Amino acid sequence: GDSVTQMEGPVTLSEEAFLTINCTYTATGYPSLFWYVQYPGEGLQLLLKATKADDKGSNKGFEATYRKETTSFHLEKGSVQVSDSAVYFCALSANGQNFVFGPGTRLSVLP
Amino acid sequence: GAVVSQHPSWVICKSGTSVKIECRSLDFQATTMFWYRQFPKQSLMLMATSNEGSKATYEQGVEKDKFLINHASLTLSTLTVTSAHPEDSSFYICSAREPSLYEQYFGPGTRLTVT
Repeated sequence: GDSVTQMEGPVTLSEEAFLTINCTYTATGYPSLFWYVQYPGEGLQLLLKATKADDKGSNKGFEATYRKETTSFHLEKGSVQVSDSAVYFCALSANGQNFVFGPGTRLSVLP
Repeated sequence: GAVVSQHPSWVICKSGTSVKIECRSLDFQATTMFWYRQFPKQSLMLMATSNEGSKATYEQGVEKDKFLINHASLTLSTLTVTSAHPEDSSFYICSAREPSLYEQYFGPGTRLTVT
């Protein structure tokens, strides 16, 4: 079945450091790919998405590019802030109905 | 963007009692809603898919008689945890699919603690 793999956390960075969180997926067909963010004690918020190969999703300084050849959707940000501390989930959906989530990567940004 | 609310945001109940959690889509009609469970420091696990006016579809391993789901209208789905036990303590998150978009909108979650 479909699956999503994320890099193991937690990830701890200093403010203004460069962030990469790796995400790879296994799926039949051509799913849409998503990054969700979960702040402490809250539900998930959509951060960005891409619906087809080579699409780049971007939001709040975060970017991720749908790479079909490497089945990847790595999340990047050039300069993280303390307020970016959260858990980040990579997810895929083949039909907008069923979502498969990765295990999540906890990010801590220190001042 | 579309907004999904949950009520209550947290609840503490005694073992053996039942708890109802509501999930509402505030500014769109959701023919399909989803219920997830999240254990501490873990990912979301889909429990069931709820379609308006029909029976919910449960994932393998989820007891349908314990987790009762009702989707009586296009904006409301409820999850009732019956005869709750401490092992049912968890973070329950619902989501709703906006029919015209290829994504789901998530509620803020309900933290259930069973003592």
